[in-house]
Amino acid sequence: KNQVEQSPQSLIILEGKNCTLQCNYTVSPFSNLRWYKQDTGRGPVSLTIMTFSENTKSNGRYTATLDADTKQSSLHITASQLSDSASYICVVSATYALNFGKGTSLLVTP
Amino acid sequence: DAGVTQSPTHLIKTRGQQVTLRCSPISGHKSVSWYQQVLGQGPQFIFQYYEKEERGRGNFPDRFSARQFPNYSSELNVNALLLGDSALYLCASSLQTGTINEKLFFGSGTQLSVL
Repeated sequence: KNQVEQSPQSLIILEGKNCTLQCNYTVSPFSNLRWYKQDTGRGPVSLTIMTFSENTKSNGRYTATLDADTKQSSLHITASQLSDSASYICVVSATYALNFGKGTSLLVTP
Repeated sequence: DAGVTQSPTHLIKTRGQQVTLRCSPISGHKSVSWYQQVLGQGPQFIFQYYEKEERGRGNFPDRFSARQFPNYSSELNVNALLLGDSALYLCASSLQTGTINEKLFFGSGTQLSVL
């Protein structure tokens, strides 16, 4: 069964601090891994997309890593801002279906 | 250019009723996919359509159906509504099939409440 597990479930950090979110998956066949940011009541917005051969991809203060051997990915947020408060969802693509994790809820406080 | 638009934004129905949700993709995008997001969970894949043909279907009952029109807009229909169908329904569009490296663009969703 294809599964995407994210940790932690929720996280609170101070503005300006860094944080790392984790994603473990068991999806086959693997096509790509995506990270999305979802504000409350809104649709997800793409942050990064990585294929099997990519280890790292950055988008501004967001850096995603992928270890296809261990089937793990991380999303590192640098110098957090209040606007980073959102749910971050890891998505692993297999053929036509996207497998979503439950997300990590991040709260950045002043 | 307008992004992915969904209508209505909110909807309240009672058990047993039928509902139709609508989605207009970004201009030039030929693929539309539908997702159900229950509160506190990640989205679950329902359908993907490309060039008016169903390309993928998630693990949802036959009460759920969809179609894509010649202008690439799409409708999601849910019959015999159950309380458990209450969720945010998201539509996403992409240029083609949206699987390899294509970026998916999501709408803001339709919040369906079944009473």
